[in-house]
Amino acid sequence: QLQLQESGPGLVKPSETLSLTCTVSGGSITSTTVYWDWLRQPPGKGLEWIGSVYYGGSTYYNTSLTSRLTISIDTAKSQFSLRLASVTAADTALYFCAGRLGFIGAFVHWGQGSLVTVSS
Amino acid sequence: DIQMTQSPSSVSASVGDRVTLTCRASQNINSWLAWYQQKPGKAPKLLIHSASTLQSGVPSRFSGSGSGTDFSLTISSLQPEDFATYYCQQANSFLPLTFGGGTRVDIK
Repeated sequence: QLQLQESGPGLVKPSETLSLTCTVSGGSITSTTVYWDWLRQPPGKGLEWIGSVYYGGSTYYNTSLTSRLTISIDTAKSQFSLRLASVTAADTALYFCAGRLGFIGAFVHWGQGSLVTVSS
Repeated sequence: DIQMTQSPSSVSASVGDRVTLTCRASQNINSWLAWYQQKPGKAPKLLIHSASTLQSGVPSRFSGSGSGTDFSLTISSLQPEDFATYYCQQANSFLPLTFGGGTRVDIK
């Protein structure tokens, strides 16, 4: 059973960079059928797709975040990562990593979520 | 971007009720639609993909239908564990993938 676990600071100062890592276990991060995604959910609000990375390193970003966003993958460590620069209070959210099956376009595997608060 | 609109935003229902939630896409997404159930503080759980395909392990009281722009999720007989928020997500246009605003199902 594939398991995903987010890790990273729970508090980030405004204008700094938010960094999270997702560790994949119980399956291969080099699967050819899975895209590795980041999503977020501000408190009391709905879900927003942030972006995606494929095992070969190709990345796909939400156009609303492209200028601040970097997603990368480290297959040797079975991890993928999110970096979001120049954060503001609007970036406060529960951040999820997820595995999406490309042939159905749906998020099948999810991490438990990591709450990140942007505050000085 | 493809906009996804869910209705109603909330519904009150009783155990045993049949409940139907709807989701409308701003343009044709064929059958590239998924439904998720989310409970407070937890990750969403995939219920339905490809508009009508039940994800493995999901109870058969959940069903999905629709294609093009109009979709629905039906719970045939609401159980206590089904009180949650439900989201639809389109997968037709990759950049970006988008979700509906959610429908909260709570106890009448």
